[in-house]
Amino acid sequence: RKEVEQDPGPFNVPEGATVAFNCTYSNSASQSFFWYRQDCRKEPKLLMSVYSSGNEDGRFTAQLNRASQYISLLIRDSKLSDSATYLCVVCRASGGSYIPTFGRGTSLIVHP
Amino acid sequence: GAGVSQSPSNKVTEKGKDVELRCDPISGHTALYWYRQSLGQGLEFLIYFQGNSAPDKSGLPSDRFSAERTGGSVSTLTIQRTQQEDSAVYLCASSLFPFPGQDSPLHFGNGTRLTVT
Repeated sequence: RKEVEQDPGPFNVPEGATVAFNCTYSNSASQSFFWYRQDCRKEPKLLMSVYSSGNEDGRFTAQLNRASQYISLLIRDSKLSDSATYLCVVCRASGGSYIPTFGRGTSLIVHP
Repeated sequence: GAGVSQSPSNKVTEKGKDVELRCDPISGHTALYWYRQSLGQGLEFLIYFQGNSAPDKSGLPSDRFSAERTGGSVSTLTIQRTQQEDSAVYLCASSLFPFPGQDSPLHFGNGTRLTVT
């Protein structure tokens, strides 16, 4: 089983739609969880951190469920510019630090 | 300010040749990571450097791969006797602190696209 699993999609949604992605991780000792965004042929960039209490940044809401070992990302009122691949990132302990482990990514296509 | 810089941006090499990829992290960033991304695949962790500590090499796929980081700054990833399956985009990232977080996100370079023919 992969450390971090995501549905690759693509998720094809109209502008204005609400879309949700899930991500599961296998290592229960993982700390620190993030969503990154990667545009086509570009480098990944941090979208937001994920906390157990849930956190919101504008149209984006992230949630962590430690008991079930999954992370979610909700995008409301989708924009064309949201089209990208969304990478789930889980940090696993390694010595005195944490190594970010990336999922394969979920592709989102927002159409007019 | 300057971001993470990687060179070359593209590299085409013949099978069996050695290649060297370079990463210049953001000044002052203590942590440096190498990943590779094959077409349609996620980022695969290769190696991690933190300050003067011994690197975490747990992700290196074979002994043909090695990396060093000189003076806590520039890093080079060397692939010896390249194989076609080594073809991928090699991404370098740095972060201010060793514990990635909202205040210390990973900053990625543009990557080196390696093609082994």
